[in-house]
Amino acid sequence: DIKMTQSPSSLSASVGDRVTITCRASQNINIYLSWYQQKPGKAPNLLIHAASRVQSGVPSRFSGSGSGTDFTLTINSLQTEDFATYFCQQSYNTPYTFGQGTKLEIK
Amino acid sequence: EVRLVESGGGLVKPGGSLRLSCAASGFTFSSYTMNWVRQAPGKGLEWVSSISSSSSSIYYADSVKGRFTISRDNAENSVYLQMNSLRDEDTGVYFCAKWMGPATGTGRIDYWGQGTKVTVSS
Repeated sequence: DIKMTQSPSSLSASVGDRVTITCRASQNINIYLSWYQQKPGKAPNLLIHAASRVQSGVPSRFSGSGSGTDFTLTINSLQTEDFATYFCQQSYNTPYTFGQGTKLEIK
Repeated sequence: EVRLVESGGGLVKPGGSLRLSCAASGFTFSSYTMNWVRQAPGKGLEWVSSISSSSSSIYYADSVKGRFTISRDNAENSVYLQMNSLRDEDTGVYFCAKWMGPATGTGRIDYWGQGTKVTVSS
């Protein structure tokens, strides 16, 4: 199975900050990576797919990059509603493994 | 509007069974692969199973293989997860999820249900 490792596991930031979350795959997964945002008690929400394609309806302050084994999710100018937990997921093959999550908290 | 509504969760003893259902609407259900993803309390997401549009391709996580069975009824716009020989570690919220794109490659989950809670405890 492909192991997905996110860093950091938690992050404190302020409104207006720029933050970057990293996801590393245990093997080459090309660009086959998605990012999801999850708020407490809610279902996840797709932000980015194919490493860098922003899902329709997602604010432009969210961006993704990377290929191979190293990927990043960047949020520019953090808004209050962005404080949540973020997960990466590979779709290179089954099982579609997720990273362990990065909890973004208000400083 | 895409809607995925799960049902069937509850409290069950170890070794017991449950059948989860997911009713879909707002899209051409028979054209899309569907998945189940779970989340243990306070933990991350774990993909559980996937079934292609025609049921010709089915995949499971190793942790549930041989115990869980995914199925679908395209006439009823529903997907199911039969869970047998349940263990404490199967406790969590189970999400029904619509897959967009190829099974491998640029595919992704584009819609999620709100989840149904499964508790396995004696």
